[in-house]
Amino acid sequence: NAGVTQTPKFRILKIGQSMTLQCAQDMNHNYMYWYRQDPGMGLKLIYYSVGAGITDKGEVPNGYNVSRSTTEDFPLRLELAAPSQTSVYFCASQGGSGGYTFGSGTRLTVV
Amino acid sequence: DQQVKQNSPSLSVQEGRISILNCDYTNSMFDYFLWYKKYPAEGPTFLISISSIKDKNEDGRFTVFLNKSAKHLSLHIVPSQPGDSAVYFCAASAKTSYDKVIFGPGTSLSVIP
Repeated sequence: NAGVTQTPKFRILKIGQSMTLQCAQDMNHNYMYWYRQDPGMGLKLIYYSVGAGITDKGEVPNGYNVSRSTTEDFPLRLELAAPSQTSVYFCASQGGSGGYTFGSGTRLTVV
Repeated sequence: DQQVKQNSPSLSVQEGRISILNCDYTNSMFDYFLWYKKYPAEGPTFLISISSIKDKNEDGRFTVFLNKSAKHLSLHIVPSQPGDSAVYFCAASAKTSYDKVIFGPGTSLSVIP
């Protein structure tokens, strides 16, 4: 039972490049989330989805896009990478009472 | 403007003693509160939660207390163990546990053997 899987674990991007952070869950959870963690700032919600085909903005959506074509996958797209997007990105899912299940994170550096 | 505050960035406690991690919130609409634990290079893991209809919830060595009038909650770990050394995030949501969750900045706990 893999839970929430994020790839890649690490990535270095140049300013202006684009990339997609992958997130997949095998628990049949409807709710999925993308957070970023900056030092001393906790986790900030970027985008979330309540089911396939439905996405919505969180607190810090600028510079990102998401899609949810299946229940399992929730990729996060960075179109024009900026140094301010250097962060650790966490994907999470939720399917019942209690808390989220998080992936192990993607550490992104934009230079 | 942080809606969920953890004013102590770090805390050190001797093994076997009690660890008390504090959290304050500003949004009176929050009605569900959670604590997450995070080890380095891993994602956060859910620890314990409490609904606003309760003032205490206990799970083994972990107890969360909620004081709604003060908009304050705390996590007690008794007895503390070296494996409890991690960053602890307080989180809150305004509707059910399915709604968007707001996280605090975290408190780094070190349990000294």
